[in-house]
Amino acid sequence: GQNIDQPTEMTATEGAIVQINCTYQTSGFNGLFWYQQHAGEAPTFLSYNVLDGLEEKGRFSSFLSRSKGYSYLLLKELQMKDSASYLCAVIDSNYQLIWGAGTKLIIKP
Amino acid sequence: IAGITQAPTSQILAAGRRMTLRCTQDMRHNAMYWYRQDLGLGLRLIHYSNTAGTTGKGEVPDGYSVSRANTDDFPLTLASAVPSQTSVYFCASSRQGSNTEAFFGQGTRLTVV
Repeated sequence: GQNIDQPTEMTATEGAIVQINCTYQTSGFNGLFWYQQHAGEAPTFLSYNVLDGLEEKGRFSSFLSRSKGYSYLLLKELQMKDSASYLCAVIDSNYQLIWGAGTKLIIKP
Repeated sequence: IAGITQAPTSQILAAGRRMTLRCTQDMRHNAMYWYRQDLGLGLRLIHYSNTAGTTGKGEVPDGYSVSRANTDDFPLTLASAVPSQTSVYFCASSRQGSNTEAFFGQGTRLTVV
């Protein structure tokens, strides 16, 4: 079967750095997305990785290792507004999106 | 309209009733999707459409139907609602297929009693 694993919940301190991991076992791979979802709202796009390596976008960076079936989202200089769920999603060989259950990130002052 | 809009935003529905959730986008995106989101589970694809006039089944299609008569609209119908269909439903669209950024509607919170 296809599987995406993310930690259920993480806690971090305002101003700090946090890394949210995502491991996947899917039938093929055609890319990986990270989305942010605030409570009661719709998911919004953060990043897309299809090649190995680090993609940096402001305070957020996303890393991919296809050989390890692994990605992480790195959030720097955490702000209270970063409290949200972070969803990892993988495109499989049939170009279907497989979603993880999401990681709820709690930011404390 | 700007982006993608769903209606209603919430609904309480008696079991056995028929219900259509509406979804409209004004971005001229080819692909559209319906997901359900349940606590502790990832988004699960119900149905999708890669272009107007075509539809396909996702991971959890049973009890749901869709149509794509034009580019903008992608309604989701529950023919006879059951309590297990209580969920938050998200409509989404993307310019091409699943490897392009998806834009989500604000969601419909449906409770079947």
